[in-house]
Amino acid sequence: GDSVTQMEGPVTLSEEAFLTINCTYTATGYPSLFWYVQYPGEGLQLLLKATKADDKGSNKGFEATYRKETTSFHLEKGSVQVSDSAVYFCALIISGAGSYQLTFGKGTKLSVIP
Amino acid sequence: KAGVTQTPRYLIKTRGQQVTLSCSPISGHRSVSWYQQTPGQGLQFLFEYFSETQRNKGNFPGRFSGRQFSNSRSEMNVSTLELGDSALYLCASSTHSTSGSYNEQFFGPGTRLTVL
Repeated sequence: GDSVTQMEGPVTLSEEAFLTINCTYTATGYPSLFWYVQYPGEGLQLLLKATKADDKGSNKGFEATYRKETTSFHLEKGSVQVSDSAVYFCALIISGAGSYQLTFGKGTKLSVIP
Repeated sequence: KAGVTQTPRYLIKTRGQQVTLSCSPISGHRSVSWYQQTPGQGLQFLFEYFSETQRNKGNFPGRFSGRQFSNSRSEMNVSTLELGDSALYLCASSTHSTSGSYNEQFFGPGTRLTVL
């Protein structure tokens, strides 16, 4: 079946540090890939997405590139802020399958300290 | 435009009871999905509804059920509650794609269910 593996946290960084959260996937079909973010006490928000190989999703300084050859979609940000503290989820969905079932990784908790 | 709303936000039940959670999607969204979030298992798909029909179901026991109404509002029900059902239950809505491509799911804040 489909699955997503992301690095376990928690991750603690100082403000302005570089962030990488690794994500790899296995999929039975051709997936679209996503990063979601969950702030304390809130639901999930879509951070960025990529729907085909070599696409780069970007938003709020975060980036991730869909690498089909390595089945990866690593999240990066050049300079994190305290406000980026949250839990980050990598997810996939199989395009064109007519299903809206997202498959999520376990999540990575990021804490940014001043 | 109002977001996805879920009621109640917090719920405490005892083992053996049943519970009903409600989700109101964004206006115009006809697809509603439910997810269970626990520290151990993470986010797991429960089911998805479109036009009052369940289109997809995750790997959960029959105690978990749902429905969707003609106004796209959805409810999920858990009967004979177990301690392990304690979780955050998230609802997500999206527009329907006729081409099979993915339309973004917008998540509600969730209902925190505690089973004692």
